[in-house]
Amino acid sequence: EAQVTQNPRYLITVTGKKLTVTCSQNMNHEYMSWYRQDPGLGLRQIYYSMNVEVTDKGDVPEGYKVSRKEKRNFPLILESPSPNQTSLYFCASSFRGQGSYNEQFFGPGTRLTVL
Amino acid sequence: AQSVAQPEDQVNVAEGNPLTVKCTYSVSGNPYLFWYVQYPNRGLQFLLKYITGDNLVKGSYGFEAEFNKSQTSFHLKKPSALVSDSALYFCAVSLSGYSTLTFGKGTMLLVSP
Repeated sequence: EAQVTQNPRYLITVTGKKLTVTCSQNMNHEYMSWYRQDPGLGLRQIYYSMNVEVTDKGDVPEGYKVSRKEKRNFPLILESPSPNQTSLYFCASSFRGQGSYNEQFFGPGTRLTVL
Repeated sequence: AQSVAQPEDQVNVAEGNPLTVKCTYSVSGNPYLFWYVQYPNRGLQFLLKYITGDNLVKGSYGFEAEFNKSQTSFHLKKPSALVSDSALYFCAVSLSGYSTLTFGKGTMLLVSP
């Protein structure tokens, strides 16, 4: 089944404790992206990657890191989480080929709480 | 910079009635426009897109959207709403098929029986 998976789905942590949220897709998509969803703010892009070893900042990259060592995986790293990073996080992927036009496939989401 | 406005936080409609969820956009160039839907406790799902051509585009689950260049709008419509259409709807825009997607804040659609 074609899908984007995220782990963990739920995470409660404390300020300053490094964490990683994994994202994996099995559709051989070149493009992958991380978003955070907050009430009243919609989805805001954190980082995106056009292909392996190519990453770029989105609208709200502060406090986050990413890497793209393999095509299928795009982990989101919070080196020192803070309470303002409490949010619902989504990973998404899509083809970059002709005709794909940003029909992004989304993961199920990771709800992160930083105390 | 590109932006999307969804002026209604919530839209209420009775089952069987037509529905419209509004979206306006701002982009410096020809827009690529999208609608996504989010059901409770789920990720977003692609509904439909406008790239070029016919201003009326049809998508999944009987939804359609009309691109209006002069009004910079891309309203989502359905002739007859179902209770199961109740969800959070997001409009999004990009400058090309492959660049950053900018999402609106979302509109909650509530369809009553």
